[in-house]
Amino acid sequence: DTEVTQTPKHLVMGMTNKKSLKCEQHMGHRAMYWYKQKAKKPPELMFVYSYEKLSINESVPSRFSPECPNSSLLNLHLHALQPEDSALYLCASSRGGLAVLGNEQFFGPGTRLTVL
Amino acid sequence: KQEVTQIPAALSVPEGENLVLNCSFTDSAIYNLQWFRQDPGKGLTSLLLIQSSQREQTSGRLNASLDKSSGRSTLYIAASQPGDSATYLCAVIRGNTPLVFGKGTRLSVIA
Repeated sequence: DTEVTQTPKHLVMGMTNKKSLKCEQHMGHRAMYWYKQKAKKPPELMFVYSYEKLSINESVPSRFSPECPNSSLLNLHLHALQPEDSALYLCASSRGGLAVLGNEQFFGPGTRLTVL
Repeated sequence: KQEVTQIPAALSVPEGENLVLNCSFTDSAIYNLQWFRQDPGKGLTSLLLIQSSQREQTSGRLNASLDKSSGRSTLYIAASQPGDSATYLCAVIRGNTPLVFGKGTRLSVIA
């Protein structure tokens, strides 16, 4: 099973709301990632968790707060977002950490976020 | 800084044609190169992963090659079908650094 699941599929929120995105994998992968993708652009890395520890934060604003409660689950907490944060948010996982040969990344279907 | 370029940016072909998508990267010291497919508004589907020690990988009608010394990879699609229409992304990774993506090739296969 090479599946990464994400919920919700779509989310509309106001700038004062607090919401969370959820990502889950049951492949035993120990690295999980959040990406942001704007229309007609490649994904941009936001955060990397390796063995449940935050290992990369690509200078993401504090209104995005990641959380990795266990090795299968990754959350992204959203607060006081701006309209320009509207995008497709993708979660991915891989078997090991970044510096692993043959470390294939598997992506979820994404959450389409609209900030009004 | 690693840069990944994909040519062409868009491609339209008639059904049944064989085609080649190109990916080039500036730093040859990579661990892996991965090809993805993305349908509009959807997530990325991993097609093929080539480790730095490998020269090519095959899956069905897809064949990906890697030439590290020249910083190039190609994705060959045989007997294209309308269902192959999507954006194809290549990405490379080196050491403790994130995947670096190209901007993709938008493929349309016309029935």
